[in-house]
Amino acid sequence: NAGVTQTPKFRILKIGQSMTLQCTQDMNHNYMYWYRQDPGMGLKLIYYSVGAGITDKGEVPNGYNVSRSTTEDFPLRLELAAPSQTSVYFCASSYGRDFYEQYFGPGTRLTVT
Amino acid sequence: RKEVEQDPGPFNVPEGATVAFNCTYSNSASQSFFWYRQDCRKEPKLLMSVYSSGNEDGRFTAQLNRASQYISLLIRDSKLSDSATYLCVVNYQTGANNLFFGTGTRLTVIP
Repeated sequence: NAGVTQTPKFRILKIGQSMTLQCTQDMNHNYMYWYRQDPGMGLKLIYYSVGAGITDKGEVPNGYNVSRSTTEDFPLRLELAAPSQTSVYFCASSYGRDFYEQYFGPGTRLTVT
Repeated sequence: RKEVEQDPGPFNVPEGATVAFNCTYSNSASQSFFWYRQDCRKEPKLLMSVYSSGNEDGRFTAQLNRASQYISLLIRDSKLSDSATYLCVVNYQTGANNLFFGTGTRLTVIP
């Protein structure tokens, strides 16, 4: 069981470039999440999904897009990267939503310059 | 006002010491509570859920005080391996933003 995997681990983008952060889980979880973690701040929810084909915005969705075509995969798309998107991005999954443990991937460290 | 507030620390304690962290939350409708542990440059991992009656897991004890809207984590007999950042997490069960993370309390256990 690999759990939640994310690629890439690190990336440097120039302002205005786009990229996709990949996230895959092999636990057959319906719920998946994308968070960003900035220094000195708590994790902020960007988008989440309750199952294949269903996604919804979190607290900080601007500048990002997601899709969920399969149970396993939940990619996060950054369009027109800005310095404010420099952060560590974590993907997570859970069996259920409210009372269940969230399992996190190892994170992607993104720098936009 | 932040949804979840924690003292960022750092807490520097000697091995074998007992240390306690508190976390306050702003929404009285909060439904579930957790402590996650995050090692330096790693992902968060669940340490323990916090139940209304309080719960213990080995050297770790979590308490919930709904009246005062805070949760606590007590670590007894601290080990070097306990050095990490401890994240307080609260669930409001409303809309998309149902899980709120504190900024974390950093603990360093000193030999």
